Formats: sequence, structure tokens, C-alpha cells
Amino acid sequence: DGGITQSPKYLFRKEGQNVTLSCEQNLNHDAMYWYRQDPGQGLRLIYYSQIVNDFQKGDIAEGYSVSREKKESFPLTVTSAQKNPTAFYLCASSAVPGQASSYNEQFFGPGTRLTVL
Amino acid sequence: DAKTTQPNSMESNEEEPVHLPCNHSTISGTDYIHWYRQLPSQGPEYVIHGLTSNVNNRMASLAIAEDRKSSTLILHRATLRDAAVYYCILRDLSGNQFYFGTGTSLTVIP
Repeated sequence: DGGITQSPKYLFRKEGQNVTLSCEQNLNHDAMYWYRQDPGQGLRLIYYSQIVNDFQKGDIAEGYSVSREKKESFPLTVTSAQKNPTAFYLCASSAVPGQASSYNEQFFGPGTRLTVL
Repeated sequence: DAKTTQPNSMESNEEEPVHLPCNHSTISGTDYIHWYRQLPSQGPEYVIHGLTSNVNNRMASLAIAEDRKSSTLILHRATLRDAAVYYCILRDLSGNQFYFGTGTSLTVIP
């Protein structure tokens, strides 16, 4: 079945450590996204990528880094520079205009809950 | 800056229709209006989208104002499984970004 997977589901990190969240999709989508969600809040865009080897900062990119070496994968690294990283992280993908009739829909993974100890 | 405005919360009785409003007064001509919903501790799921005309699918209906500055998601018969946070989103085709609003938390009363 096609979809998006995120791992791990729960992640604990000590202060000062970098940690990488995995996101993989087999939907053949060009665009991928990372969002952060804090309790009781909406989603805020961290980074997005429209094509392999290219990505753009979203609204809250500071303290985060990404790579897009493969179409299927868009890992997010939470660095020690991120002062308040405890949150729910969601990865998503979508087709871009011109690619399939369902291009408007954004597909989300199940999320990774990161807690800093 | 927020691109959509929604009420923080709404309640509905089970099996009654629900109308969830969204204001998007700064919408551009190329923005699509999307609705997603999110259950606790899950990723959002797509509900419906439209550009200018009203839209219907198996989950809901979307009514778009003539000036496109507001829209309403209509759940025809609310069930307990419809209790979720509903997000009204504008899709910026030029940048391929999705701008999430604050969302409306819908409570369905048995």
C-alpha cells in the first residue's frame, strides 16, 4: 500500500544532542514537508522540498536541518540549537501541479513525538 | 501572518448537520481552499477542497462564498467519529505551500 511512514513514533533526547527523524514515502510525490505541532496548537511549517536536492525554509526553520538526497526520503534533524524541541512532528507529501489528478491532496504520516529530557 | 480564521471550538449533536466556517479575506485568485481534520495524536487527513464552485464528496460538502473570502465545511450528519480538529487551509500553487489556520475543535454530543 502507498503511504508515508515516520519513525520512531516516540523519541527522547537529552539536552544538547542532535536527533534525526525519519520520513519515507512511496507515493512517487515530488513535494515533501515537515511540520511542528505544539499541544493545542495548529501546524507550523519547518521545511519543505519540491524536488530532490532542493529545499526551502518554512516559518520556523531555526534549529532544524533537512536533506533530500532521494525522492522517497526527507529526514529532519533537530539540532542542539533548537531551544524548545519538545513537540509532535509531522511529515507530509504531495504531488506538484501537473503530476496526477489528485495533486491537491497532502498526505500525512503518523507523526513522531519528541521529548527532551 | 495567518491566512485563515476559524472559531476555536464548536459543538454539535450527533446525527445533526454541522457547519464549520472559515474566513480567508486575503485569498488570491490562484489559492485553492482545502479542509483537513486531525484526530488526537494522528496526522491530519484530507477532507475536501475547492476553488470557486461548491463541492461534494462522500465525507462532506464545501460551500464557497461568491467573493471567495469565506467558506463553510458541511458535515451532513455528525457522528462521534467526526469529533476532531478541522483545519481550513489555503493552497498556494506558486509556492506549493499549505498555510494552516488555527483549526476548529469539533465536539459531537451523543
